[in-house]
Amino acid sequence: KQEVTQIPAALSVPEGENLVLNCSFTDSAIYNLQWFRQDPGKGLTSLLLIQSSQREQTSGRLNASLDKSSGRSTLYIAASQPGDSATYLCAAMEYGNKLVFGAGTILRVKS
Amino acid sequence: SQTIHQWPATLVQPVGSPLSLECTVEGTSNPNLYWYRQAAGRGLQLLFYSVGIGQISSEVPQNLSASRPQDRQFILSSKKLLLSDSGFYLCAWSLGTGPYEQYFGPGTRLTVT
Repeated sequence: KQEVTQIPAALSVPEGENLVLNCSFTDSAIYNLQWFRQDPGKGLTSLLLIQSSQREQTSGRLNASLDKSSGRSTLYIAASQPGDSATYLCAAMEYGNKLVFGAGTILRVKS
Repeated sequence: SQTIHQWPATLVQPVGSPLSLECTVEGTSNPNLYWYRQAAGRGLQLLFYSVGIGQISSEVPQNLSASRPQDRQFILSSKKLLLSDSGFYLCAWSLGTGPYEQYFGPGTRLTVT
């Protein structure tokens, strides 16, 4: 059974800092891995999707990497801003299009 | 562009009452549709998914059911709510072909009293 773990559970950083969020999964037979952002009381916003054949994806200040062999993905946020404060979720997609989510990392960027 | 709607946004229901949550998608055809629940301290859990009209797969045995009466409409129901049904219910869609990136709706906050 796939299990997804995110470290750290919470992170507080000053504005402008570069940061890394970690995600690990137990079964490397994934179809893709997706990173989401969730603001309090809101739905999920898709940030990046990395297909199993890819190593990384970039969107603006965000860069996500995937290492299937080690069961790890990282989300790198450059030059963090207070508006980046949110919960970040990673999810591994199993064959059959089912997403298995981690518990999330709560990020606070202080101005 | 594609848009996903959920209603109601919030709902407070007594134990034993019925439930109907609705999700609709605009701007795409034959999407895959998903229902998730986010409960306090338990993370996001897939409840049901559908690859077509009338085709529903259940992931977790529970007090809930799902139906897809139209191509872009997905409904989550219960005949009698339990306290443990409280949570944040999220609907999502993806294209029917890879890479199956999922897009989520705004959610419904359900409180069972």
